[in-house]
Amino acid sequence: RKEVEQDPGPFNVPEGATVAFNCTYSNSASQSFFWYRQDCRKEPKLLMSVYSSGNEDGRFTAQLNRASQYISLLIRDSKLSDSATYLCVVNGLTGNQFYFGTGTSLTVIP
Amino acid sequence: NAGVTQTPKFQVLKTGQSMTLQCAQDMNHNSMYWYRQDPGMGLRLIYYSASEGTTDKGEVPNGYNVSRLNKREFSLRLESAAPSQTSVYFCASSGRTGGHQPQHFGDGTRLSIL
Repeated sequence: RKEVEQDPGPFNVPEGATVAFNCTYSNSASQSFFWYRQDCRKEPKLLMSVYSSGNEDGRFTAQLNRASQYISLLIRDSKLSDSATYLCVVNGLTGNQFYFGTGTSLTVIP
Repeated sequence: NAGVTQTPKFQVLKTGQSMTLQCAQDMNHNSMYWYRQDPGMGLRLIYYSASEGTTDKGEVPNGYNVSRLNKREFSLRLESAAPSQTSVYFCASSGRTGGHQPQHFGDGTRLSIL
């Protein structure tokens, strides 16, 4: 079983739509969770950390469900500039290793 | 504010050649990482260094060696390049060991092995 699994998509949504991505992880001892954004042929960039109580940053909301071992990312009022691949990241057993999902592709359509 | 700097950005090698990918960070981070990213796969950890003077294998270390030269620099060496090592390589750093701090990435090195 992979450490982190994501639906690869693609998700094609119209501008203004709300879209949600889920990511499941296998290590119940994981403590650190992040969402990264990666544009085509660019480096991953941190979008937001995911906290136990859930957190929001503008149009983006991240949630953690420890019981079911998944994290989610909700994007409201999608913009064309949100088109990218979204990577879910979870730390491993040692804490020093991070495991990346394969990414979920989002295209926002005018 | 440079962050994480990788060199070179592009490289083409012949099978059997060797080369070193360089990475430097100016954020005074303890931990540094080397990943490779292949189509349809997530980033996979090759090696990491939790602190100056230490290195550890990641998920896919075979065919690679690393050196943590000092706190700033972490290099990745391919001793005898193989076509299977054609990939995009990313270096990253983070402020603390043991998770809880996000990683910051360099621009990547696009490496082709013929």
